[in-house]
Amino acid sequence: RKEVEQDPGPFNVPEGATVAFNCTYSNSASQSFFWYRQDCRKEPKLLMSVYSSGNEDGRFTAQLNRASQYISLLIRDSKLSDSATYLCAVNMVDSWGKLQFGAGTQVVVTP
Amino acid sequence: GAVVSQHPSWVICKSGTSVKIECRSLDFQATTMFWYRQFPKQSLMLMATSNEGSKATYEQGVEKDKFLINHASLTLSTLTVTSAHPEDSSFYICSARQGAEAPFFGPGTRLTVL
Repeated sequence: RKEVEQDPGPFNVPEGATVAFNCTYSNSASQSFFWYRQDCRKEPKLLMSVYSSGNEDGRFTAQLNRASQYISLLIRDSKLSDSATYLCAVNMVDSWGKLQFGAGTQVVVTP
Repeated sequence: GAVVSQHPSWVICKSGTSVKIECRSLDFQATTMFWYRQFPKQSLMLMATSNEGSKATYEQGVEKDKFLINHASLTLSTLTVTSAHPEDSSFYICSARQGAEAPFFGPGTRLTVL
């Protein structure tokens, strides 16, 4: 079993719609989680950190479910510019900043 | 946010040559940097942790003699791919952390070995 798993998609989303997807992690000791966005042939860019209580940044909402060991990302009012691959990252327990990534979920927003 | 740069952004080399990639933290000091590799349609895989003033820590399966890491200053880590072969062709990305913030990534270096 992979340590960080994501549905690869693609999620085809009409412009203006809402899309949500999850990421599961295997190490119950993990404490820090992030969502990164990666455009084709570019580096990952931090979208948001995921806090225990859940957090929102504009149209993006992240949730953490420790009991079931998954994090989620919800995008509201999707824009064409939201088309990208969304990478879930879990900080490895032995070193801050050392991340383990999921394979990414591809989102395609269509007009 | 913090800025991390990499140089070169892309490189093409012949099989058997060595290639050096630089990772710099531009506006902060980074005692620790991380090197990742990403093959097409795959996720980022951590290769090693680069520690300023000490030896790098390599992940399982990463050959330390092939991927030489030097972190000689608080703003610069280098990754040298020695005796590169076509299977080393990949997207190499570094990251650096600043305090308790989430790590920031460099723009990556695309290596093609002919």
